[in-house]
Amino acid sequence: GIQVEQSPPDLILQEGANSTLRCNFSDSVNNLQWFHQNPWGQLINLFYIPSGTKQNGRLSATTVATERYSLLYISSSQTTDSGVYFCAVPMNRDDKIIFGKGTRLHILP
Amino acid sequence: DVKVTQSSRYLVKRTGEKVFLECVQDMDHENMFWYRQDPGLGLRLIYFSYDVKMKEKGDIPEGYSVSREKKERFSLILESASTNQTSMYLCASSFNRGTSTDTQYFGPGTRLTVL
Repeated sequence: GIQVEQSPPDLILQEGANSTLRCNFSDSVNNLQWFHQNPWGQLINLFYIPSGTKQNGRLSATTVATERYSLLYISSSQTTDSGVYFCAVPMNRDDKIIFGKGTRLHILP
Repeated sequence: DVKVTQSSRYLVKRTGEKVFLECVQDMDHENMFWYRQDPGLGLRLIYFSYDVKMKEKGDIPEGYSVSREKKERFSLILESASTNQTSMYLCASSFNRGTSTDTQYFGPGTRLTVL
């Protein structure tokens, strides 16, 4: 089945720094989702991005489907950005998705 | 805004007990999912349902069953809880687009401890 790898696994940054999180996937996909899991466990969907670039405030995401990767950019990090960031892609033709192992981001005040 | 709610944030049960985890969504989504999340293993799909009374096994269905009697409600059942079922349980829902997956919306999670 399709493999999803995220890097780096852990990232510690000072408040105000910028960061880039990467998601590689082993097969062609027709969409990709980025999620943020806050320290209390709630998963929030950030982007639904099958290709191209989308921006939402300080966050943006780019998916290059032909090269099988997606990037999540966080600019001017805030402590509330801390948590785990997951990417997820469809497993097959039904509605299941498979998650990467996540990148744990810790923003220091 | 889509809202997915789960019946409990924290739950403590004893080995052998029957456990019900309830999930309700208010967006008329066809698809509903149950995952468990464990350190180092990420999110793993237990069961999902794409319609009322329909269910499909995910990657780790052993020890679990589900019920979907109404479109908005998806229940996860642990017939006889065991300590290795101590975990964070997450429910999600999405529209059924047919040709591609849609965004999944997650509930706040239930942290279950089995003693």
